Amino acid sequence: KAGVTQTPRYLIKTRGQQVTLSCSPISGHRSVSWYQQTPGQGLQFLFEYFSETQRNKGNFPGRFSGRQFSNSRSEMNVSTLELGDSALYLCASSLAKYSGGKNTGELFFGEGSRLTVL
Amino acid sequence: DAKTTQPNSMESNEEEPVHLPCNHSTISGTDYIHWYRQLPSQGPEYVIHGLTSNVNNRMASLAIAEDRKSSTLILHRATLRDAAVYYCIWMGYSTLTFGKGTMLLVSP
Repeated sequence: KAGVTQTPRYLIKTRGQQVTLSCSPISGHRSVSWYQQTPGQGLQFLFEYFSETQRNKGNFPGRFSGRQFSNSRSEMNVSTLELGDSALYLCASSLAKYSGGKNTGELFFGEGSRLTVL
Repeated sequence: DAKTTQPNSMESNEEEPVHLPCNHSTISGTDYIHWYRQLPSQGPEYVIHGLTSNVNNRMASLAIAEDRKSSTLILHRATLRDAAVYYCIWMGYSTLTFGKGTMLLVSP
C-alpha cells in the first residue's frame, strides 16, 4: 500500500513569510504526528493529531500550528518564518494503539519536506 | 523530559553482531521503548519496540533491562545496508524526544 506522502518535498521561503506543509497518511491510519529535524537539535516532536484533535504537543512556539482533516490528512503551518525554522519537517502516520493515553503504535514516516528560510 | 542517551557513533564489520545501547533512566512503567533508524536522505524507519520483555523480529532483537532504565538493540549480522543513524525513543505522553541517535558505521 502507498506510504506516507508529504508535499512539497522542497521549498524556499523568506523571513516573515508563512508556509503550509501537507501530509497524507497511510490509508487507515488515523494518527499523524509532525517532527522537525535539524543538524543541531536532531529530531524534535512538534505535535500529534488523532481524529482531527491535537493529542500531544511538543515544546515549540505558537507560530507552529497544525490541523487534521476528516480524511486523516494533516497540514502544518509555520507563520512569521525565521532563519532557524530551516529544517526537514517529517510527518509520520500510525494506527494509533493508545495505551494509557500514549500512542504505542509503530510510526511510518514520510520522506519529509525540506524548508529553507532565507 | 522524555530523554534518552546514546553513544554518538559505533563501528562494526560486516557479518558481525552489533549491540547499540540506550539509556532511558527516567522512563515510566507504561512507556514503550521504540527504535528507529534513518538512512541518508530518508525518513526514519521503524525497527522494533517493546515494553518489558525482550523482543525479536526479522530486523533485530531488543533487550530491555529488568529495571527498564536501559535497552540494547541487537543486529545479529550487520550488513552495509544497516549503516544508518539509530534512534532510541520512549513514547511518553506529552513529549517525544529522539535525541541525536547513534551513527552506525559498517565496514566491509
